[in-house]
Amino acid sequence: GNSVTQMEGPVTLSEEAFLTINCTYTATGYPSLFWYVQYPGEGLQLLLKATKADDKGSNKGFEATYRKETTSFHLEKGSVQVSDSAVYFCALRMFGSGGYQKVTFGIGTKLQVIP
Amino acid sequence: NAGVTQTPKFQVLKTGQSMTLQCAQDMNHNSMYWYRQDPGMGLRLIYYSASEGTTDKGEVPNGYNVSRLNKREFSLRLESAAPSQTSVYFCASSWDSQETQYFGPGTRLLVL
Repeated sequence: GNSVTQMEGPVTLSEEAFLTINCTYTATGYPSLFWYVQYPGEGLQLLLKATKADDKGSNKGFEATYRKETTSFHLEKGSVQVSDSAVYFCALRMFGSGGYQKVTFGIGTKLQVIP
Repeated sequence: NAGVTQTPKFQVLKTGQSMTLQCAQDMNHNSMYWYRQDPGMGLRLIYYSASEGTTDKGEVPNGYNVSRLNKREFSLRLESAAPSQTSVYFCASSWDSQETQYFGPGTRLLVL
């Protein structure tokens, strides 16, 4: 079956540090890939997405590139802020036989940014 | 435009009690979903509704039932709650079964 692997964390960084959260996947076929962010006490929000190989998704200073050869979709940001403290979920989307979307989530990586 | 709303935000139940979690969206989306989130396991799909009038099982449907009341509302019912159903429940919706999902704020359920 499909799966998404990411470290659970927590990842603790100082403000303005460089962020990388690794995400690798296994899937049959060609999934779309997503990063969602969950701030404390809130639901998941779509951060960025990429729908085909070599696409780069970007939003709010975050970016991730769909690497088919390494089955990866690592999240990066050049300079994190305290307000980026949240849990980040990597996810892949495939389509089932009935045409519905099946989304597989990673376990989530907690990021803590300290001043 | 409130997006996806869920009620209640928090609930405590005793084993064997029943309850219904409510979800509504005002984005005119056709597809709606229920997930549960447990530590170290990410989100798992319980049930989904590709369109009004249809519902289908996801990965972990046992112990739950759903009702797509109309296009806006999709409820999740626990007929006889068990401690294993202690979790955070998220509702989501999408324009259709192939578009990006948008999530509600979640319902935290504790079953004693």
